[in-house]
Amino acid sequence: AQRVTQPEKLLSVFKGAPVELKCNYSYSGSPELFWYVQYSRQRLQLLLRHISRESIKGFTADLNKGETSFHLKKPFAQEEDSAMYYCAPNFYGNNRLAFGKGNQVVVIP
Amino acid sequence: DVKVTQSSRYLVKRTGEKVFLECVQDMDHENMFWYRQDPGLGLRLIYFSYDVKMKEKGDIPEGYSVSREKKERFSLILESASTNQTSMYLCASSSPSGGYTFGSGTRLTVV
Repeated sequence: AQRVTQPEKLLSVFKGAPVELKCNYSYSGSPELFWYVQYSRQRLQLLLRHISRESIKGFTADLNKGETSFHLKKPFAQEEDSAMYYCAPNFYGNNRLAFGKGNQVVVIP
Repeated sequence: DVKVTQSSRYLVKRTGEKVFLECVQDMDHENMFWYRQDPGLGLRLIYFSYDVKMKEKGDIPEGYSVSREKKERFSLILESASTNQTSMYLCASSSPSGGYTFGSGTRLTVV
């Protein structure tokens, strides 16, 4: 069955330290993959999608088909990166996304 | 600049009431979705729609129904509200291949 896993509920990092959010998925095909972010008191919004290969707000995500992972990384965390992050693969087609349980990131000044 | 509007930010309803949550988008998107967001459980899909008058069950449809009479509006209905439906409800819309645009959410409390 299709499944998306974000193993760490809470991640605390110091400002300037690297941050990596893990996302693993179980799927026999090649889904399109997204990361969404929700800052405090704001709407959930798209951070990046793997097909665009963009770097948004210093974040990148690498698709590893062999490990079925799509980890989100940023080399130097900033306080404004404190937020909830969701990995969301498109397993079903028709743009129906499956969201992981989310990672709460706290950047310590 | 608001593109997906949810009619209420906070709602308090009594057990057994019929509850309507409204969502309107102005981007001419075909796809619309209703999720509930609970701590530790992430976002869970309740219902979605790819076209007017069309609906599909998501992962947790029990106790809910939806209506999509016009392309821009997607309503979530709690037929008989229960306390376990206390949650944050998020509406989203998308084009067939685009990212989601979310509403600001409705925090529903059932007492």
